[in-house]
Order: sequence, then structure tokens, then C-alpha cells
Amino acid sequence: QKEVEQDPGPLSVPEGAIVSLNCTYSNSAFQYFMWYRQYSRKGPELLMYTYSSGNKEDGRFTAQVDKSSKYISLFIRDSQPSDSATYLCAMSAGEGSSNTGKLIFGQGTTLQVKP
Amino acid sequence: DAGVTQSPTHLIKTRGQQVTLRCSPKSGHDTVSWYQQALGQGPQFIFQYYEEEERQRGNFPDRFSGHQFPNYSSELNVNALLLGDSALYLCASSSTSETQYFGPGTRLLVL
Repeated sequence: QKEVEQDPGPLSVPEGAIVSLNCTYSNSAFQYFMWYRQYSRKGPELLMYTYSSGNKEDGRFTAQVDKSSKYISLFIRDSQPSDSATYLCAMSAGEGSSNTGKLIFGQGTTLQVKP
Repeated sequence: DAGVTQSPTHLIKTRGQQVTLRCSPKSGHDTVSWYQQALGQGPQFIFQYYEEEERQRGNFPDRFSGHQFPNYSSELNVNALLLGDSALYLCASSSTSETQYFGPGTRLLVL
């Protein structure tokens, strides 16, 4: 069993839809949770960064972490064709009080937003 | 403010050869991590450098080695290349106050 599970999709939605992306994990030591967006043949771009449980909102993006269920989500409101990309969840146990440890990634979910 | 930069962007090697990839971290970052991303997969952690020493290592053979310089830049070396080493190699930099930011990657093809 992988430490981090993510449905690879692909996921196809119409423009303006609300998108929900999810990951589950097995390691209860994970404290830091990230979502990266990766366009084809490019490096991952940090979207959201959350420490421990709770919600975080940034514009059209909302990240949720439920440590009791070992489940994290990314919601995209009013999705746009430019949101079409692969979304990677990543998590880390951290090193002491800072997030400098290795990241464990999900497989990535490919999202297509159709005009 | 330049982000993480990597060179070269692409390269092609043959089996058995050796390759060196380079990374310059984001300004203010002192930690560099390397990841390998196979097609259709998430990145896999290779190792991390801090204060010019390897701090953590993933499940990669000794053919994979690295170095960090006093200016925090880093190199990844892969010896005795195998076909399975073909992948996108990503460098990420971080600090105690910032999480990991990735560079554009180096795409390696081994023939």
C-alpha cells in the first residue's frame, strides 16, 4: 500500500464548475500538507500549504485537512480552462518545527476544464 | 527574484554513461532536495542537502550521488545510467521558514 493515495483521473469538468480533488494517507506522522499544480512538461508549482488540520482559502482555492480521517482535499471554485493541469498532493512529517523533510507525493490527478 | 533554476533543460545519454544535473536554489533558501518523476507518476524523493551534507536519502541506489556547494547550489550525479533512469529530475529548495519550491526540471532520456 502506498503512503499517499490519489485518484489519477482524468477528471473532466465544464468551465465554472466546482472541482474537488482528494488524497488519503496512511502515515499519522504527516503534519505538513501541500497541493502543487503541474502543467505538462513543467515543474510543480506550489498552490496551497497547510500545517496540521483545518481549512485554508486563497482566492478560488480551498484546502482542507482532516487528520483524524487521514484525508485532504483541494476545492477549486469557478474553474477555468487555465486550471487544466495535473494536481499533486504532497505531505511531510517535517523536521522538528519546520517543514524541511522529504515530501511524499500522490500520483497526481489530471484535470481538464472544458470551455 | 529568481526562483529555482535547473540546467540543462533536456539531455540524451546512452546506457552506462554518467550525467550531472545542476540546481540553483531560490534566494534565501539553504536546503536543496532532488526528486525523480517518471511519466504519469508523482515525484519520488532522491535525497536532500543541507549545509553541504546529505541529510536524508530515499530508496535510490548509490549510483545516485550529489553535492551541495557553499553558495547552496547543488548537483545530482547519476553513474552507469540505465534505461529506467529516464525521467524528469526535479530540484526543490526550501528553508526553515518556507516549504519546498520546485524548479522546471531536467528531462533525461537514456537510450
